[in-house]
Amino acid sequence: DQQVKQNSPSLSVQEGRISILNCDYTNSMFDYFLWYKKYPAEGPTFLISISSIKDKNEDGRFTVFLNKSAKHLSLHIVPSQPGDSAVYFCAASATGGGNKLTFGTGTQLKVEL
Amino acid sequence: GAVVSQHPSRVICKSGTSVKIECRSLDFQATTMFWYRQFPKQSLMLMATSNEGSKATYEQGVEKDKFLINHASLTLSTLTVTSAHPEDSSFYICSAGGTREQFFGPGTRLTVL
Repeated sequence: DQQVKQNSPSLSVQEGRISILNCDYTNSMFDYFLWYKKYPAEGPTFLISISSIKDKNEDGRFTVFLNKSAKHLSLHIVPSQPGDSAVYFCAASATGGGNKLTFGTGTQLKVEL
Repeated sequence: GAVVSQHPSRVICKSGTSVKIECRSLDFQATTMFWYRQFPKQSLMLMATSNEGSKATYEQGVEKDKFLINHASLTLSTLTVTSAHPEDSSFYICSAGGTREQFFGPGTRLTVL
């Protein structure tokens, strides 16, 4: 039962363009969402998060949008840079869930020159 | 951000042996740590929640006698894979943190021959 899904296993964009990574969830108890970036053989690194009381959070080149009614969130990276090439995971947690994170399946982003 | 370390980063062992992986929070105290495993090109799957001073909480389908977790102090949790078999080969990652942000270790690549 995959409660957090990233339906695109891979995405390729040109340097300077916008990267849009999507994530869907099914558990309505989730009220906090995070995006992590992961390189091979390394642990995930935190990028940006959003609470369910908001619909947008921005940090530099990264913006996360949340559509609660659709149970959908997206990560926008603009402008995309070659160093952004990595696997991106969205994750979700629920208040009262003991800090547990449920991860999506990941999207491999490749930013080409 | 906070730092979480793991040791060893890579281990190769013979089938039937036990392997211990350490997870340390270097600059903060963690009453709770989490252990994940990741198969190639798949998501991070939560295995168990490590609780300082009490028993670990295992996710459904994870054998507690197979994956022994000890949270000996506020900065150290260990995962012991007992009687390892080739199917236990995976990338094991720990995390620690608060309600809204988890910091991940760099991971341990276990290969069981």
